[in-house]
Amino acid sequence: QQQVKQSPQSLIVQKGGISIINCAYENTAFDYFPWYQQFPGKGPALLIAIRPDVSEKKEGRFTISFNKSAKQFSLHIMDSQPGDSATYFCAASPGGYNKLIFGAGTRLAVHP
Amino acid sequence: DVKVTQSSRYLVKRTGEKVFLECVQDMDHENMFWYRQDPGLGLRLIYFSYDVKMKEKGDIPEGYSVSREKKERFSLILESASTNQTSMYLCASSLPVDTEAFFGQGTRLTVV
Repeated sequence: QQQVKQSPQSLIVQKGGISIINCAYENTAFDYFPWYQQFPGKGPALLIAIRPDVSEKKEGRFTISFNKSAKQFSLHIMDSQPGDSATYFCAASPGGYNKLIFGAGTRLAVHP
Repeated sequence: DVKVTQSSRYLVKRTGEKVFLECVQDMDHENMFWYRQDPGLGLRLIYFSYDVKMKEKGDIPEGYSVSREKKERFSLILESASTNQTSMYLCASSLPVDTEAFFGQGTRLTVV
């Protein structure tokens, strides 16, 4: 049973559109929520991260929205570009040490 | 440039063989991780180490063991390889608190 549930499994977006990926968790001990981006043949790399004391964090075209009461968080990619085509993983870690638990991943394809 | 290096990109082993996957990091990180990545299942944590000679089981430790005799090196051992261990294996390292985890490029292991 996955501790972090991610949806959708795959996503197709037109260039310039908004990509939205959602994650949900049950363990209330989680208090660090990063998103990782993975290109084919490469290891995942950190994209953006949030802690539950804020509801939103924005870095460039990438925004994390966090809903602590619903135990959900999401990644929004504004003005999606073909270069954003990759697999995206949400993750969560319990407080105190960086033991990352990942979601199943979303394969994003941005069509020109 | 920070680096996590996995000893092999591709490995083919026979059923029943003892297999060693090696990982070295040059960032003086306390934490090191082994994940396996399978389509539709994301990254699943096999083992986690937060200090030399310290280890903690992840979600799927069965059939695996680990060794961390030096801070920079974390080895994953498949005691008796089986075909269901055919997968992509990813090593990562991080500082002990909630910060970026750096991944290696992965080892694609095929057990025949």
